[in-house]
Amino acid sequence: QITLKESGPTLVKPTQTLTLTCTFSGFSLSTTGVGVGWIRQPPRKAPEWLTVIYWNDDKKHSPSLKTRLAITKDTSKNQVVFTMSQMDPVDTATYFCARHMFGPEYLDQWGQGIPVTVSS
Amino acid sequence: DIQMTQTPTSLSGSVGATVTFTCRASESVGHNLNWYQQKPGKAPKVLIYGASRLQSGVPSRFSGRGSGAFFTLTISPLQFEDVATYYCQQTSSVPYTFGQGTDLEI
Repeated sequence: QITLKESGPTLVKPTQTLTLTCTFSGFSLSTTGVGVGWIRQPPRKAPEWLTVIYWNDDKKHSPSLKTRLAITKDTSKNQVVFTMSQMDPVDTATYFCARHMFGPEYLDQWGQGIPVTVSS
Repeated sequence: DIQMTQTPTSLSGSVGATVTFTCRASESVGHNLNWYQQKPGKAPKVLIYGASRLQSGVPSRFSGRGSGAFFTLTISPLQFEDVATYYCQQTSSVPYTFGQGTDLEI
């Protein structure tokens, strides 16, 4: 059974850095063709894809947010860590991690999401 | 960024009917188009990937077609449990953009 779960703060102050961890089980991030990424969804809006890290340590980021994003993996712990700097109230959203699969690429397994509010 | 436009914004159908959602890309995405179903308070769930491939475990009443810049998702026959918001997403180039969604009512 494949599971992913997001963890981290649910309230951050403006200008702070958000750090979220995705802990997963049932698959390995060292398997060819696998990635773990992050997507956010503001209340009552469509999802917005943010970033992904692949089995070979290749990374892709949303160009508009690239300077604020970072993503790393710890294959031995089955974890992916996501950071977003300079948080602003417009970044308030539910943040999801999801497994990316190749052939063609799609997001086949998602975490439950973690709501993050940016407020002073 | 590739813009994904979904029409209509909301759709209504009866149990047993056929409904079709449309997704247009601002440029060709080949077959790199996925469809997701999202119910309130839940994460999106993939239904179709690669434009027409049915995800394992998804009922065969869901089907996808299209390539390039025009795609459709069809549900036939419609069931009560299909009430949800449906999103398309392109994975041809970053950022992997989603459409704005179509709400389905029964």
